[in-house]
Amino acid sequence: DGGITQSPKYLFRKEGQNVTLSCEQNLNHDAMYWYRQDPGQGLRLIYYSQIVNDFQKGDIAEGYSVSREKKESFPLTVTSAQKNPTAFYLCASSEGGSGVLYYGYTFGSGTRLTVV
Amino acid sequence: RKEVEQDPGPFNVPEGATVAFNCTYSNSASQSFFWYRQDCRKEPKLLMSVYSSGNEDGRFTAQLNRASQYISLLIRDSKLSDSATYLCVVNFPNTGNQFYFGTGTSLTVIP
Repeated sequence: DGGITQSPKYLFRKEGQNVTLSCEQNLNHDAMYWYRQDPGQGLRLIYYSQIVNDFQKGDIAEGYSVSREKKESFPLTVTSAQKNPTAFYLCASSEGGSGVLYYGYTFGSGTRLTVV
Repeated sequence: RKEVEQDPGPFNVPEGATVAFNCTYSNSASQSFFWYRQDCRKEPKLLMSVYSSGNEDGRFTAQLNRASQYISLLIRDSKLSDSATYLCVVNFPNTGNQFYFGTGTSLTVIP
């Protein structure tokens, strides 16, 4: 079955540490996205990529970095510069171009990151 | 004004009740609308798209009102399993078709 896989499910980060969240999809989707969800807030876009080797900042990119070396993979690094990283991180993928307007996003099951 | 606004609720309704949620959006050029369902501590899952003429999927009906810039979701004959948070999602063409999410409306169906 096609899907989108995030790992790990839970992640604990010490102060000053960089951590990388994995996101892999086998849906042959062109576009991939990273969102952050905090209690009582809507999903906020961190980074997105419409095509391999290209990505754009979303609304809250500061303290995060991404890469898109393969179509299937879009890892997110939470750097020590991100001052409040504790949140639920969701990766999503979609058809490219106008396809997303018809089919929306498919989400991974998320990673819960906690600073300890 | 927020890009997408929803009443956060919570909505607590008895089994069998009909419940409706509204969602307003700020961009008159938006053309793609969805309702997602999110269970506690899980990822959002697509519930249904919202078409211009309105659409129905079993007990769920979605409507779009372009003039007033809102979409709605109606759930008939509520089941316990409908308890979840319902997210409104709208595209904004002037942002490269980035989708904006509402904060969600919480529904609890009570036995």
